[in-house]
Amino acid sequence: EAQVTQNPRYLITVTGKKLTVTCSQNMNHEYMSWYRQDPGLGLRQIYYSMNVEVTDKGDVPEGYKVSRKEKRNFPLILESPSPNQTSLYFCASSLSVTGSFGYTFGSGTRLTVV
Amino acid sequence: TQLLKQSPQFLSIQEGENLTVYCNSSSVFSSLQWYRQEPGEGPVLLVTVVTGGEVKKLKRLTFQFGDARKDSSLHITAAQTGDTGLYLCAGTQNTNAGKSTFGDGTTLTVKP
Repeated sequence: EAQVTQNPRYLITVTGKKLTVTCSQNMNHEYMSWYRQDPGLGLRQIYYSMNVEVTDKGDVPEGYKVSRKEKRNFPLILESPSPNQTSLYFCASSLSVTGSFGYTFGSGTRLTVV
Repeated sequence: TQLLKQSPQFLSIQEGENLTVYCNSSSVFSSLQWYRQEPGEGPVLLVTVVTGGEVKKLKRLTFQFGDARKDSSLHITAAQTGDTGLYLCAGTQNTNAGKSTFGDGTTLTVKP
């Protein structure tokens, strides 16, 4: 089944403890992206990647890192999480290299930073 | 600044009624997508429109892209309880390849 897989689905952590949220897609998509979804603010793009080893900042990149060492994986790294990073995170991929034809989303990771 | 503004923000209707959701912007988009999201899940792509004036139909859902590619609408005919969910529009622009902007969403509740 064609899908984007995120892990974990739920995560509670403490301020300052480094964490990684994994994202993997099995559709050979060039484009991958991370979003956070917050009440009243909608979906906001954190980082995106149009190719292996190419990553670019979205609208809210502060406090996050990403890497794209291989096509299928696009992990999101929080080096020193803070409570304002508590959110629902989504990874997405797209057949189009710019993402312009729409995305396939993962099921989300609900992160709580205390 | 919200580049894409959706209206209404909330909509509650009876099963069988028709409805229209709007997605408006002052900016031009090269493509625009509509998604439906259920609680606890990721958005699911419904349609992508790329040509000004384009109309696409998906069963009881009709999507239209404005002639100037600044706005779009989603019309649902004879709504069903299964249509309940959060509807999101999203757009991409040629000037920022790879970046995407999402609207703030319309929460639709269809009552039996």
